[in-house]
Amino acid sequence: AQTVTQSQPEMSVQEAETVTLSCTYDTSESDYYLFWYKQPPSRQMILVIRQEAYKQQNATENRFSVNFQKAAKSFSLKISDSQLGDAAMYFCAYRSGAAGNKLTFGGGTRVLVKP
Amino acid sequence: DSGVTQTPKHLITATGQRVTLRCSPRSGDLSVYWYQQSLDQGLQFLIQYYNGEERAKGNILERFSAQQFPDLHSELNLSSLELGDSALYFCASSVARQGANSPLHFGNGTRLTVT
Repeated sequence: AQTVTQSQPEMSVQEAETVTLSCTYDTSESDYYLFWYKQPPSRQMILVIRQEAYKQQNATENRFSVNFQKAAKSFSLKISDSQLGDAAMYFCAYRSGAAGNKLTFGGGTRVLVKP
Repeated sequence: DSGVTQTPKHLITATGQRVTLRCSPRSGDLSVYWYQQSLDQGLQFLIQYYNGEERAKGNILERFSAQQFPDLHSELNLSSLELGDSALYFCASSVARQGANSPLHFGNGTRLTVT
């Protein structure tokens, strides 16, 4: 079974600065997808960014970008120019490309943004 | 707004009781997923349905059951409730059955409190 690990329970960042969240996963598959979801205090689950494993180019969405290292099974999220609204729990998630498409989530990282 | 509707938003009930959580997926989405999020934890996958059929099962207790109806809405039934069942229950939907990077779109969750 695939597992997703987020080793940082909490990260703090100054407004306008950059923070990087770590995520590692364990899989024997070659076809899969990776996602980052944001959960603000409202508890909604909001998709931030996604990456296909077959793509070497790292995904970017505005101020959010990933560093995907397939060999190392690492998928970190970088938030640039942090804003107060970025304060939330961030979850890394894995989806198999072959065995159904449920998401397997990591334990989450809480991001605090200091004004 | 993700387009996924969950009702009720909040539910308070006593131990030993039975409750039903309802989910209406986004228009056009055939897959429905149920997740449980206990306090400050990650999301645990419970079960997936695709076009009315069960497709994947996670760590779902025998006291829990689900189904997806012909109109594609889904219900999660929780019975013989225990204090430890208190959690946020999410429903998510997606277009594809498997093998695609179509993201899961989450509802706002049902907050279940068992007293």
